[in-house]
Amino acid sequence: KAGVTQTPRYLIKTRGQQVTLSCSPISGHRSVSWYQQTPGQGLQFLFEYFSETQRNKGNFPGRFSGRQFSNSRSEMNVSTLELGDSALYLCASSLGFSMGTEAFFGQGTRLTVV
Amino acid sequence: AQTVTQSQPEMSVQEAETVTLSCTYDTSENNYYLFWYKQPPSRQMILVIRQEAYKQQNATENRFSVNFQKAAKSFSLKISDSQLGDTAMYFCAFPQGTNAGGTSYGKLTFGQGTILTVHP
Repeated sequence: KAGVTQTPRYLIKTRGQQVTLSCSPISGHRSVSWYQQTPGQGLQFLFEYFSETQRNKGNFPGRFSGRQFSNSRSEMNVSTLELGDSALYLCASSLGFSMGTEAFFGQGTRLTVV
Repeated sequence: AQTVTQSQPEMSVQEAETVTLSCTYDTSENNYYLFWYKQPPSRQMILVIRQEAYKQQNATENRFSVNFQKAAKSFSLKISDSQLGDTAMYFCAFPQGTNAGGTSYGKLTFGQGTILTVHP
């Protein structure tokens, strides 16, 4: 069974540009969540999508957006990049139905903004 | 809102010894789960162990066990017979439910993490 796949693994962007990150969940998983990981702020929740609907959103500016497709694949987009957006972005997928369900994580996308 | 606190930024242990990582949390929920996740240097986060609040028995997975104190809102992870492969960052996490057009539990609130180094 294939795991959670995130592409690309590494990205370097310039301030002011926009970026799109992709996440392919485990087959059959309908919940996809995104997290930002930085040394200073730790792991922060960005948003959760379930069956193409955004179910929950973290405390991030509107420059951060996402979507989920009918095949459960998800993308997140960051517009007008700032230096502070440099981080490891993690995607997690799960069945999502029960609170004890395990979330499976991808290896992340390392975004560097210069 | 739920909060999760890990007060030990770094810990180290000798191979084959036992180490305990601490986690405290705050919630007004009565039934919930708690997780410990491990993030090795390769970065991929994996689930180590989970505990349901309603279960009085502490969860155990091979060398990993928890000490769950519901009244004290404490959830510590004990690693026995530590191995070099246990070197990683460990996160305590709390899944939160959302009732927006159906219930899902895709949001995890994480603690700050504890870097564990196992020395030979």
